[in-house]
Amino acid sequence: NAGVMQNPRHLVRRRGQEARLRCSPMKGHSHVYWYRQLPEEGLKFMVYLQKENIIDESGMPKERFSAEFPKEGPSILRIQQVVRGDSAAYFCASSPPNGRDEQYFGPGTRLTVT
Amino acid sequence: GQQVMQIPQYQHVQEGEDFTTYCNSSTTLSNIQWYKQRPGGHPVFLIQLVKSGEVKKQKRLTFQFGEAKKNSSLHITATQTTDVGTYFCARSGGGADGLTFGKGTHLIIQP
Repeated sequence: NAGVMQNPRHLVRRRGQEARLRCSPMKGHSHVYWYRQLPEEGLKFMVYLQKENIIDESGMPKERFSAEFPKEGPSILRIQQVVRGDSAAYFCASSPPNGRDEQYFGPGTRLTVT
Repeated sequence: GQQVMQIPQYQHVQEGEDFTTYCNSSTTLSNIQWYKQRPGGHPVFLIQLVKSGEVKKQKRLTFQFGEAKKNSSLHITATQTTDVGTYFCARSGGGADGLTFGKGTHLIIQP
């Protein structure tokens, strides 16, 4: 039973480029969360999605960031016109649809903006 | 969101010594979760506490939830090198649908 999958694991982008981060939840999980982690910091919630729906995006920056979880395929976190401050580890987590709160994290995507 | 504060930020211990990290909230928590993140790794769920005064054990790890449900602790007995990492507490239901994490306690073990 595969865990949460994320790709790429490492991504280097120049300032102004776009970054696309992908997440496939655990089999049977329908809830996906995205978090950002700066070095030596805790994780900051960004967005919570279910299939084809954004449930809570209160942690997403208002500009340049978007997320989707289509009916088919992985969840995508998209960052347009990246800046150096976007450099961080981005983790995706999934949880089962049975109301339990624990979340299962993917290996993360380490984004470096040069 | 409603924050959870963790102390200490860093803890150096000799291998074999005990370790404790504390998590505090100014508001009552519906539950508290604990995660471990190894260096370069991703957070791994350890446990969730829900009931006032709850105590749960996992081998050398003991988790407690305060009577007022405003604080929690994780205690590791006789640390081993495999315990190295950052331990995070996290709350749910703090206003956002995601988890609100503390800043973590970095456990460094000296052999």
